[in-house]
Amino acid sequence: NAGVTQTPKFRVLKTGQSMTLLCAQDMNHEYMYWYRQDPGMGLRLIHYSVGEGTTAKGEVPDGYNVSRLKKQNFLLGLESAAPSQTSVYFCASSYGSSEQYFGPGTRLTVT
Amino acid sequence: GESVGLHLPTLSVQEGDNSIINCAYSNSASDYFIWYKQESGKGPQFIIDIRSNMDKRQGQRVTVLLNKTVKHLSLQIAATQPGDSAVYFCAETDSGGGADGLTFGKGTHLIIQP
Repeated sequence: NAGVTQTPKFRVLKTGQSMTLLCAQDMNHEYMYWYRQDPGMGLRLIHYSVGEGTTAKGEVPDGYNVSRLKKQNFLLGLESAAPSQTSVYFCASSYGSSEQYFGPGTRLTVT
Repeated sequence: GESVGLHLPTLSVQEGDNSIINCAYSNSASDYFIWYKQESGKGPQFIIDIRSNMDKRQGQRVTVLLNKTVKHLSLQIAATQPGDSAVYFCAETDSGGGADGLTFGKGTHLIIQP
């Protein structure tokens, strides 16, 4: 099992550009999450999904969109990147409201 | 939402000593708690969890204690090793409230001195 994988690992964007971060899990988990991690802020939930075709907003959803077209994939989109979105992004998955398994992260810099 | 926090941002211990990392939470509805370890450049890794119907749970070299009266959680690491150096996060959730993720504390950086 690969667990939770994320692509890309690193990305640099210019302000206003768009991109999509891909998360994939092979554990047949129903729940998937996107977090961002900033220095001194811990991890904050952006969006989450409780199943294929469903998504919901987390603590800091503004400027991001998500899609869960397949159970194993959860995509995070930035339509118009801003420097405030410079962060490390982590995807996670779980069997319901229990232990979450995290991916290795994507380091995004917006200039 | 309510926050989960840690008392100390950095904890330095001698190799071989025991470490205790503390966490305070404020959501009285929280009923599931997890400790994660995050090494530099990696995602958080599950260490141990505890549900609110327990006050202690032990794993391999780790013990989690939960005091619901004062809303306090601690992680004890026995005989610390260099590989224990990392940032440790506590996280909590109200599992009855739906799958809206975990609320994380800001983390404690554990440094192991040789």
